[in-house]
Amino acid sequence: KQEVTQIPAALSVPEGENLVLNCSFTDSAIYNLQWFRQDPGKGLTSLLLIQSSQREQTSGRLNASLDKSSGRSTLYIAASQPGDSATYLCAVGSAAGNKLTFGGGTRVLVKP
Amino acid sequence: DVKVTQSSRYLVKRTGEKVFLECVQDMDHENMFWYRQDPGLGLRLIYFSYDVKMKEKGDIPEGYSVSREKKERFSLILESASTNQTSMYLCASSLSFGAASYNEQFFGPGTRLTVL
Repeated sequence: KQEVTQIPAALSVPEGENLVLNCSFTDSAIYNLQWFRQDPGKGLTSLLLIQSSQREQTSGRLNASLDKSSGRSTLYIAASQPGDSATYLCAVGSAAGNKLTFGGGTRVLVKP
Repeated sequence: DVKVTQSSRYLVKRTGEKVFLECVQDMDHENMFWYRQDPGLGLRLIYFSYDVKMKEKGDIPEGYSVSREKKERFSLILESASTNQTSMYLCASSLSFGAASYNEQFFGPGTRLTVL
C-alpha cells in the first residue's frame, strides 16, 4: 500500500528566502505526482503535475522535481512571499484508476 | 479554466438526517471523486466514479453512498448522518485514465459539514 510522507509538518521562513518542501513515497510504481496548495478552510489548488516519465516541472517561481527510484519529490518556491503562506500537499497517482494518495502536508508561514 | 463547484460551503445537520452533498464540474471530465479531510488524518478517498452510473469504493466508503446520473454531477449521500461524519468534504474531477492530458485532479472549494 502506498504511503506518502511530508516532513516537516510545519515550516517558518523570512520573506525572500527560498522554500524547499519534501515529499517521500514508498512505492515507486507511480503514474504521476501532483503538488497542491490549500489555504485555511478552502479547497485544494493544483500547482504542478509531474508525470512518472518526467524529472521536473516548472511554473513561475515553482519548480518540482521527481526521483522515482528513491521515492522522493521536492517542491522549490523561489523568493518566498507572505502570500505563499499556506499548506502544501503532495499526492501520488497510482496507475490504477488515477487514485491519489496524499501526504499529510507541510504548513508554511512566510514572515514579512 | 476547470471549475468544480460544490452546493454548500457550510452545512449543519442533525444526527440521523439524510444528507446530500452535490458536486458539479464544467469540463466534461469522466472521473469524479469524493474525499473527506480531517485533522491528523489528511485526505481520504470515499468514492469515485469513472463514468455515468459507475462507482467505485475508495478507502472509507462505510456510511456513504454516491450517485452519478449525469456526467457533470456527482452526489455524495449520507444515509443517516452521525457525529463522526463531521468533516470537510472535497470533490474533485479529472479526465479519464489514459487520456492525452495528464489526469490532473481539480478540486472544488469544499463543504464543511457539522453533524450535531
